[in-house]
Amino acid sequence: GENVEQHPSTLSVQEGDSAVIKCTYSDSASNYFPWYKQELGKRPQLIIDIRSNVGEKKDQRIAVTLNKTAKHFSLHITETQPEDSAVYFCAARSGANNLFFGTGTRLTVIP
Amino acid sequence: GAGVSQSPSNKVTEKGKDVELRCDPISGHTALYWYRQSLGQGLEFLIYFQGNSAPDKSGLPSDRFSAERTGGSVSTLTIQRTQQEDSAVYLCASSLVPGGYNEQFFGPGTRLTVL
Repeated sequence: GENVEQHPSTLSVQEGDSAVIKCTYSDSASNYFPWYKQELGKRPQLIIDIRSNVGEKKDQRIAVTLNKTAKHFSLHITETQPEDSAVYFCAARSGANNLFFGTGTRLTVIP
Repeated sequence: GAGVSQSPSNKVTEKGKDVELRCDPISGHTALYWYRQSLGQGLEFLIYFQGNSAPDKSGLPSDRFSAERTGGSVSTLTIQRTQQEDSAVYLCASSLVPGGYNEQFFGPGTRLTVL
C-alpha cells in the first residue's frame, strides 16, 4: 500500500516568514494529494489539493508543488500569521483507494 | 447543509467494557471512513466503506474492532473489551463518492477514554 512520510514534525516561524512542509509518497499510481489543517481541538479541514496532472497550485498565501518523478510534494505558506498555527497533514491517494495521511506537522507562528 | 456528525462527543468507559461510536455522514455521501487519532499523533486509518463495494478493513488494529454501515448511511464503530491503549479521538469522514478527487469531510470526533 501507499506510504506517506512528512517532515518536519514541528516547525516554528516568525510571523511574516514563510513555512514549508514536505511529504514523500511511495505509490507511483497516486494521483491526488490534499492538505488538511487541524486547529487545536477541531476537526481536520481541507485547505488545498493538487492532482497529478499539474505541478503547482496556488490559493492566496498557500501553494502546493508536486514532483511526480521524485514522488514528493510540498506545502508553502507565505506571510505567515498567528492563525496559521495548527497541525498540517498531507495525504495521497490512487484511484478509489483510501487516503493515506502523513504523520502531521505542528506549525507555530510566533507573533 | 449539515456536516458529518458523531456521537457521543466524549465517552469514558472502564477497561473491558464494550463501546459503540456513531457517525452520521453528509446526506448522499457514499464513502465513509474511520480514523483514530491518539494524543498529538497522526490520523491512523481504520476502515473504509466504499459505496456498494466490500469495505476495506485493513486498518483495524485487532479483532476487538468492528464497524458496520447500515442502509448506506449511518455507521457504527464497535470496540469490544476496551483496553487503555484504545483511548484516542475517533474521527469519521465522508465523501460524495469513493476515491478520486473527492474531498473527505471530517466529523468532530469522539474522544474515548478507557480507565
